[in-house]
Amino acid sequence: GAGVSQTPSNKVTEKGKYVELRCDPISGHTALYWYRQSLGQGPEFLIYFQGTGAADDSGLPNDRFFAVRPEGSVSTLKIQRTERGDSAVYLCASSLAREEGEQFFGPGTRLTVL
Amino acid sequence: DAKTTQPPSMDCAEGRAANLPCNHSTISGNEYVYWYRQIHSQGPQYIIHGLKNNETNEMASLIITEDRKSSTLILPHATLRDTAVYYCIVRAPQGGSEKLVFGKGMKLTVNP
Repeated sequence: GAGVSQTPSNKVTEKGKYVELRCDPISGHTALYWYRQSLGQGPEFLIYFQGTGAADDSGLPNDRFFAVRPEGSVSTLKIQRTERGDSAVYLCASSLAREEGEQFFGPGTRLTVL
Repeated sequence: DAKTTQPPSMDCAEGRAANLPCNHSTISGNEYVYWYRQIHSQGPQYIIHGLKNNETNEMASLIITEDRKSSTLILPHATLRDTAVYYCIVRAPQGGSEKLVFGKGMKLTVNP
């Protein structure tokens, strides 16, 4: 079956611009996660949705970052006034909302801020 | 911060068993040990998880010590495609889902 998909696969933008990154989770997965991965580091948690609501947004670095999941399926990560330090691979994962649910990751979106 | 410690890298010969160690001396009673791996330019991939007992699936085996302070992931017959960064993670399921806290992981290189 289809896995987690993310679009675009690559995004190059200029400092100060606004970007949107999209995640399509596996059908039926109610939990959705965003992570960010810098070069040479492990993924870093950003935000977790259970259904339509953000159950844990403690990893968002500042108020320039925002994510939505209006219908409990597709999610969009929005970054305002991008900075060079935002350059990273943004990973999305989804899982069934059960106690030991493994997370299935997408291929990521590589964001480069010039 | 990650609650696990892994060596930064390891080499293994193709066809041999790869034994990947992980220390998690502060693990709590309700925390599971999870292993994920990340092949270059891909998202992380789930391998296996366990609580107390040893576990085996089609990808690997997980051996957890009796005191649960360390574990070993075993790839019984490593192939070149197993070259990846391997992450050992401890996680306490809370009502359905919980974030994963990744460390830097361990780079496994399988050599021909």
